[in-house]
Parts: sequence; C-alpha cells; structure tokens
Amino acid sequence: LAKTTQPISMDSYEGQEVNITCSHNNIATNDYITWYQQFPSQGPRFIIQGYKTKVTNEVASLFIPADRKSSTLSLPRVSLSDTAVYYCLVGGPNSGGYQKVTFGTGTKLQVIP
Amino acid sequence: SQTIHQWPATLVQPVGSPLSLECTVEGTSNPNLYWYRQAAGRGLQLLFYSVGIGQISSEVPQNLSASRPQDRQFILSSKKLLLSDSGFYLCAWSGGNIGTEAFFGQGTRLTVV
Repeated sequence: LAKTTQPISMDSYEGQEVNITCSHNNIATNDYITWYQQFPSQGPRFIIQGYKTKVTNEVASLFIPADRKSSTLSLPRVSLSDTAVYYCLVGGPNSGGYQKVTFGTGTKLQVIP
Repeated sequence: SQTIHQWPATLVQPVGSPLSLECTVEGTSNPNLYWYRQAAGRGLQLLFYSVGIGQISSEVPQNLSASRPQDRQFILSSKKLLLSDSGFYLCAWSGGNIGTEAFFGQGTRLTVV
C-alpha cells in the first residue's frame, strides 16, 4: 500500500474553507484516493473518493494533480460539526489495497467559533 | 441497502476473561471484512481482515484471533484478555471493487479491568 503523509492537526474558523493535503508519492497506477471522517467514539465515515483531476459531492471536493502524488480534500464553509479527524487512504486493485484498508494517523481538524 | 451490525456497544471485562465480539453485514455478499482497534487518542490499527469464509489475515501478533464462520459474519475473540486489550474495536466491510471504500460499524468500547 502507498504510504500517506498528512498534517497531524489543523485549526480553522467557522465559515472558512479548509484544505487538507495528503502526500502519497508511491501511489500505484491502479490506486484510488479515499478520504474518511471520524468523530469521537464513532467509526470512520466515507467522504469522497477519486482517481484523478477533481471530484465533488455534496460534502467535499477532492483535487488530484496530474502526477497523483498528492491530493487535497476541500471542505467548503466549515462549521463546528466538522470538527473531526480526517484520514487519507490510497489503495486499489492489484496493489494490496484491494484486500487491506489501512489507515494512517489522520489530520485532526478543530473548527473554532 | 447494506448495513453492518456490531455488538455489544460497550463491554467491561476482567483481566484473564474471554472475549467474543460479533459483526454481521446485511445486503451484500462476499464482502471483505475487517477488525480494527483504536486506543484512546490514537489512529486505527488494522487487526485482521478476511476476503472469504475461513480466510483470515492477521496484521498484528497478539492474543486476539478472528474467525469468519459465515460469509457475512466476522468474530473477534480472545481466550484471556490483557489490560492492553482495552480500546475501541471497529468492524468494517468493503466490496473491494473500487479503491478502498469501507463501511464501519458503530464500534465496541472494551475496558479490561
């Protein structure tokens, strides 16, 4: 599995856009990039997944440059309820990620009123 | 739609006692199944994963074991609990078709006393 590196923590004020970047220099050709959100005492929740360029859903956007060695999760206009840990995962068929879903340390986002 | 059930939600067990946590998935067939543990304030540690009935892969040597007696049932066990086994245990499943999207149960908070 491609190793990922993300900031340990981030602070943001309510209403701001938050961008969390994840580095994955060893990403394989068939790997996808997936982001999860975890609140205390709950299981992680899938946010968004992408392969290249840009993906957007009702919750977030995911920006992936052409070399795919990094990705950026963008949360528009965060609120206090977005305070959570955000995990970036990389994996897919034929890279070991098909069978294993392994989490890194994540980024703890604290939204400030 | 697919759902995952994990129980119990909380558990307090004495040191040396046995453990059995059960997880079942509905609405899908042949899922990949996972057990994770999360110590307080830490990331998720993958303990076991399974790609089919009777097929278990262990990620971390320890006094825990896992079994998959049926396609959508995953059990985490221990013959004798240690204090260090305390933590938040999460079961998850994935379809394994694309990337690493996984869906988590609500978790079991285990306290070994």
